[in-house]
Amino acid sequence: SQTIHQWPATLVQPVGSPLSLECTVEGTSNPNLYWYRQAAGRGLQLLFYSVGIGQISSEVPQNLSASRPQDRQFILSSKKLLLSDSGFYLCAYHGWGLMAGELFFGEGSRLTVL
Amino acid sequence: SQQGEEDPQALSIQEGENATMNCSYKTSINNLQWYRQNSGRGLVHLILIRSNEREKHSGRLRVTLDTSKKSSSLLITASRAADTASYFCATLPLLNKFYFGSGTKLNVKP
Repeated sequence: SQTIHQWPATLVQPVGSPLSLECTVEGTSNPNLYWYRQAAGRGLQLLFYSVGIGQISSEVPQNLSASRPQDRQFILSSKKLLLSDSGFYLCAYHGWGLMAGELFFGEGSRLTVL
Repeated sequence: SQQGEEDPQALSIQEGENATMNCSYKTSINNLQWYRQNSGRGLVHLILIRSNEREKHSGRLRVTLDTSKKSSSLLITASRAADTASYFCATLPLLNKFYFGSGTKLNVKP
């Protein structure tokens, strides 16, 4: 079966510190991968998406970067966190075949920057 | 938002009543999807309607799509307390890009 793992679930980091959030997918090959950010009580903002290893598209200019070192691994990073980077980060992948058109989400990573 | 907007932003109803929420979007789409998010969790896919469909049903869910008005509605019939969550519409205007609205927060009172 297809599953998606995202970690860490919760993170509290000081301003200026680095960030690494990781997402891995099981049970499917060559998925499209996505990072979204959700501010408290708000909708989802698309940050990055990837259609293959090393292929990253950025939606908005920001203090974050993404990498896809392996087919089913997607990493969100920052060299120096800002207060405005706080939020709920969601990784998702796009399935194919019978589930074509549907996004599967991880459980999210809540980042608080102090 | 990047693409869609849900209306209302918040909705409070009694158990057993129907809940209707609307979504408007800006550009042509391939399909429109509705998702549910329980507080502090990831989103779960509910239903997908393609651009050439006008109505779709799944259990207690009914979705309509009006491409001429660039709008969709989600109806939850006979609501239950367990339906309390935020509901989002998502559109796929371009390949590989899913855009979400800001959501409708539904509270179903027992």
